[in-house]
Formats: sequence, structure tokens, C-alpha cells
Amino acid sequence: AQKVIQVWSTASRQEGEELTLDCSYETSQVLYHLFWYKHLLSGEMVFLIRQMSSSTAKERSGRYSVVFQKSLKSISLVISALQPDDSGKYFCALWELRTGGYKVVFGSGTRLLVSP
Amino acid sequence: EAGVTQSPRYAVLQEGQAVSFWCDPISGHDTLYWYQQPRDQGPQLLVYFRDEAVIDNSQLPSDRFSAVRPKGTNSTLKIQSAKQGDTATYLCASSLSAGGRWEQYFGPGTRLTVL
Repeated sequence: AQKVIQVWSTASRQEGEELTLDCSYETSQVLYHLFWYKHLLSGEMVFLIRQMSSSTAKERSGRYSVVFQKSLKSISLVISALQPDDSGKYFCALWELRTGGYKVVFGSGTRLLVSP
Repeated sequence: EAGVTQSPRYAVLQEGQAVSFWCDPISGHDTLYWYQQPRDQGPQLLVYFRDEAVIDNSQLPSDRFSAVRPKGTNSTLKIQSAKQGDTATYLCASSLSAGGRWEQYFGPGTRLTVL
């Protein structure tokens, strides 16, 4: 069975601070991808960053980076220099590559509020 | 480049009514996904297509839900005889399978309320 867990349902920080959002997952597959998305108030889900199970590179995209601990089945999203526009809901998602296709499971999300 | 578009943005139904949602993916994206996102939960994959073929519809309640993508471009998700438990946002997403990157681009969603 596959499962994605985001323990914290809410988080709050001040502008300029750094935040780490945690996500743990369960999988029996060797090849999989992990994604972080941000859910905007408009309803749009925006792709932020991706981590491949086969990669040891420390993925980074602008102010977003990940901490991938494969042996612990954990992936954290780090957002540096927080801005009020970073407020929103952040989802972790697991993509498993399987014969004939793939399976995807999203976590329940963490809502972030960044105060000026 | 235009993003994923969906219509309608909102729908309110009585139980037992039918509704259809429409999705236009990003041009050139061969893979299209439909998700159901109940309030305060993560998206749950219902069905996805590669071109016009259904790849996985195991999470689609087949007795009342159906989805088609006849020409491998636009797609329609239909709910027959809606129930209150179908209240959720329905998200469409698309991706390009070539290159193995798998990033999905989401539309704004259709917020459905079943009374």
C-alpha cells in the first residue's frame, strides 16, 4: 500500500524566515518520483520541485529546495526567505512507476501563513 | 503558452442530477488526469489518459462516473446521479510523458456542491 503523510496541517512564520515542511511516504517500488505542489487561493495547483528516487542530487529551484532522506522515506521542502505570497497550502505527492503506468498519491497538505 | 483550462468553474446540483466537466489540456501534452479533491484533503486520482486511451481508471466509481478523451486532446468527466458525497473540487491536469519528467500542470478546478 502506498501512503503519503504530511504531519503538520498548518504552519506560520514571519517574512524573511526559513521553513521546512515534512513529508513521509511508503512505497515498495524502486523507481518513484516525489513532487511538491502549492495550492493557490485561486484553486490552481502549481508545481514547485521534483525529486527522483534514483537521484542523489540536492534539488533546488529558486527559494525552494528539498531534503531527501531515502532510507527514511522522507522528503522535506525548504522555503527560504519567506514572503507573504508564499502563504497557501503545500502538497507532497508520490509517483510510483509501475508496469503499464504509474500510481500517484497526494498527502493531505500543510497550510502555511506568512505574516509581514 | 496557455495553461490547462476547465469549465465550468462552479456547479451546484441536487442529488440525482447529472453534470459534466470539461478540460482542455496544455497543447501537446499527451497525458491527462482527472482528480477529485474533497475539502481539506489532497487530490485523489480518478482516471488518467495517454492520448485517447484510458491507462488507469481503477479509482473511478464506474457506476456513476465516466470519462472520455476521444481525440486525445480535450476531455469530459461526467457524473450521473450525483450524491452529496461527490461534493468536491474536480481538478484536471496534463503532462508530457516524453523525457520522464512527469510534472503535471493543473487547471483551476471545478468546485461541485451537491445539495
